[in-house]
Order: sequence, then structure tokens, then C-alpha cells
Amino acid sequence: DQQVKQNSPSLSVQEGRISILNCDYTNSMFDYFLWYKKYPAEGPTFLISISSIKDKNEDGRFTVFLNKSAKHLSLHIVPSQPGDSAVYFCAASVRNRDDKIIFGKGTRLHILP
Amino acid sequence: KAGVTQTPRYLIKTRGQQVTLSCSPISGHRSVSWYQQTPGQGLQFLFEYFSETQRNKGNFPGRFSGRQFSNSRSEMNVSTLELGDSALYLCASSFEGWEETQYFGPGTRLLVL
Repeated sequence: DQQVKQNSPSLSVQEGRISILNCDYTNSMFDYFLWYKKYPAEGPTFLISISSIKDKNEDGRFTVFLNKSAKHLSLHIVPSQPGDSAVYFCAASVRNRDDKIIFGKGTRLHILP
Repeated sequence: KAGVTQTPRYLIKTRGQQVTLSCSPISGHRSVSWYQQTPGQGLQFLFEYFSETQRNKGNFPGRFSGRQFSNSRSEMNVSTLELGDSALYLCASSFEGWEETQYFGPGTRLLVL
């Protein structure tokens, strides 16, 4: 039973365009969401997070949107750059009440020249 | 079953000293990951150990090192402490790897003066 789902295993986007990575979750108790980026043979890098009290959080080219009613979040990367080619993981947790963080399976993003 | 335990829970050190933090994973879990959490920086991945081998490494300087023992217990060492190393250090365990559901310990809060 996957509580955090990234339904697109891969995504290709033209350089300079917007990349949108999607993530769905099933547990309505989740109140904290994170995105990580991972290059091959390296550990994951924290990108951006959002608390359930917000519906948007922005950091440079990265914006995360949270739609609690749909149990959906998305990561927007604008403009997409070649260095953004990596695997992106969505993760969720129930802060201060739980001791788990649950990761999605990841979406491989290819930025095309 | 017992959760992830971390010792010590709190630690105060001075610049230039070194520190060793300990983590005991959930029984049967072979993967141990370490994270650094600071306000504004999110949950930064340090490294993951599996079966006594470092399998993934985050983007931290060589002053941060770790090891895992045959019973899956793990230690993290930080040498030549800097003020910026003040943070909450979290350990998480899972059965097989970083990309599974990870269970977090309570953390060790390190203050460097």
C-alpha cells in the first residue's frame, strides 16, 4: 500500500521550459512534504519542503504547490536547465506525531537540449 | 518493537572538538541513514550505510564521517567542529534502503560554541 505515489517514472522536458513533477498521497494526516533530487551514485539532495498550512512555497527556480483537498503536490522547475536532469523524490510525514518519512518511488527527469 | 534510538540526545561542544553520535536501528533493519536538520535548510542527507558499507553520500565535507557495525548500529563522527555544525542530527533506519519508508530516531541536538 503505497502512501506516496509518483505515477510518472520519467519525464522529458525541453531546456528552458517548465518541468512539472507530480506526487499524490493517500494519508490525510501528512502535514509536511519534501522534495529531494538525486544524481546517479550520489546521495539525495534536499530541494524544498512545504507544510500543510501553506499551499505554495517558492525557492528560486523551484516552487512546490500543495492541494490538500486533492491530496496532491507538484514541483515546478522554471526554467528547466540541463543540470536539473536527475531523479526527483517526493516524501511526506506527520510532523511531531510520527517517526516516519515516506518516500515516493521517484520520477526521472530528462532535460532535452 | 523498539524504535530507532540515538545517543546522546543533547550535546554541547566547542569549536575544533570532535563528536561521535550513535544510532541503533530497529531490529532487522539493515539500512541506516543520517540527516542534518537546521532551520531553513530542511533535512539534509548526510550518508546511508547498508551492511557495514557506505552506499550513498550527501554533499558534506570530509569532516563528517560514519560507520556501521555488524549489528547494524551506526556511528557518525564530526571532526574539527564549526559553529555551523550546530543542528539536530537524525538517524533513520529501513529494511533495505534509503528509498523505502524510513523510521527516524529522536535525534541528537548538537550545539557548538
